Amino acid sequence: EDKVVQSPLSLVVHEGDTVTLNCSYEVTNFRSLLWYKQEKKAPTFLFMLTSSGIEKKSGRLSSILDKKELFSILNITATQTGDSAVYLCAVEGLNSGGSNYKLTFGKGTLLTVNP
Amino acid sequence: DAGVIQSPRHEVTEMGQEVTLRCKPISGHNSLFWYRQTMMRGLELLIYFNNNVPIDDSGMPEDRFSAKMPNASFSTLKIQPSEPRDSAVYFCASSPSPYGGGSPSYNEQFFGPGTRLTVL
Repeated sequence: EDKVVQSPLSLVVHEGDTVTLNCSYEVTNFRSLLWYKQEKKAPTFLFMLTSSGIEKKSGRLSSILDKKELFSILNITATQTGDSAVYLCAVEGLNSGGSNYKLTFGKGTLLTVNP
Repeated sequence: DAGVIQSPRHEVTEMGQEVTLRCKPISGHNSLFWYRQTMMRGLELLIYFNNNVPIDDSGMPEDRFSAKMPNASFSTLKIQPSEPRDSAVYFCASSPSPYGGGSPSYNEQFFGPGTRLTVL
């Protein structure tokens, strides 16, 4: 069964700090890894990673994938209170029937940024 | 575009009752997903449709759960009979399918606001 483990489960920092969120996975026939941000409502897409070593960047957020060691990190620099959210990691792998790809999510990391 | 629309936003029901959750995907998207989120289990994919056809329902927990997509603009998730352990937030999401076949485009997946279900 596919598995996605995120760490830490929760994190409290002060504005301006830099944080690193971790995601490790075990999946059959990996195709991609995705990061989402979930505030009070639905998850919103941040990044999709398919290749090792290529950093994806969007403003103060960046992410990188290591397909050999089966993990990804999400970095947030100069954190702001608006970054407070649950960050979800999900991995796309072949389903048990081998016919389609499906997403398996981790439990998420709850990030709280205090002013 | 209004985004993915779900109704109701909140539902409180008693154990044993039938519950029907509704979803209208983004126009032009041909993949539709139903997810369930709980504190214990996180976010789980229940079922997804491509071009109105169920592709993978391996995440549907039991026979009490069923989902339909009678046309491209409407889907339902039904629980009958409901149980307290079904209490969760149920999200519907949609995406285009540039790969064709049954493979959706998860990086273009948009979630609806969710339905918070409480079964007493």
